[in-house]
Amino acid sequence: QKEVEQDPGPLSVPEGAIVSLNCTYSNSAFQYFMWYRQYSRKGPELLMYTYSSGNKEDGRFTAQVDKSSKYISLFIRDSQPSDSATYLCAMSKTAGNKLTFGGGTRVLVKP
Amino acid sequence: DADVTQTPRNRITKTGKRIMLECSQTKGHDRMYWYRQDPGLGLQLIYYSFDVKDINKGEISDGYSVSRQAQAKFSLSLESAIPNQTALYFCATSDPRTNSQYFGPGTRLTVL
Repeated sequence: QKEVEQDPGPLSVPEGAIVSLNCTYSNSAFQYFMWYRQYSRKGPELLMYTYSSGNKEDGRFTAQVDKSSKYISLFIRDSQPSDSATYLCAMSKTAGNKLTFGGGTRVLVKP
Repeated sequence: DADVTQTPRNRITKTGKRIMLECSQTKGHDRMYWYRQDPGLGLQLIYYSFDVKDINKGEISDGYSVSRQAQAKFSLSLESAIPNQTALYFCATSDPRTNSQYFGPGTRLTVL
C-alpha cells in the first residue's frame, strides 16, 4: 500500500463549479502538506502549503488538513477551464525534507 | 529565464546505452532532487542532495547514479538504459525555510 493515496480521476466539472480533491495518507509523522498543479508537458508548480492541521485559503483555493483522519483536501471555487490540470498532493515529515507524492488527480473543467 | 533548467528536454535512446540528464538552477538553493514520473504513480524520488558533498538515495535509485558538480548543477545518469526506465524525469530544488520545491520543465526519456 502506498503511503499517500489519491484518486487518479479524471474529474470532470462544468465551469464555475467547485472542484474537490483529496488525499489520504498512512504515516502520522507527516506534518507539512502541499498541493502542486501540473499542466501537460510541464513541471509541477506549488499551489498551497500547510503546516499541521487546519485550513488555509488563497484566492479561489482552500486547503484543509485533518491529521486525526490522515486526510487532506483542496477546494477550487469558481473553477475555470484554465484550472484543467493534474493536481498532486505531497507531504513531508520535517521542513525542507524530501516529499512523498500522491499519484495525482486529473481535473477537466468544461466551458 | 527559468530558475530550474533541464537538458535535454526529449531523448530517445536504445537499451544498454549510457545517458546523462543535466539540471541547473539559479535559485541559490543547496537542496536538489531527481524524480521520475510514470502515469498514475505520481513522482518517485530517485536521488537527492542537501549540499555538494551530500548525496542520498531515494525510493528508486537502482539503475541510476548522480553527480553534484556544484551548488547549481545536479546530473542524473543511467549507466545502461533499459526500456522500463522510459519516463518523465524532473529535477527540483527546495527552500528549507518554506519546504517549497521548484521543478524544472522535465526530460521525456524513451528507451527502445
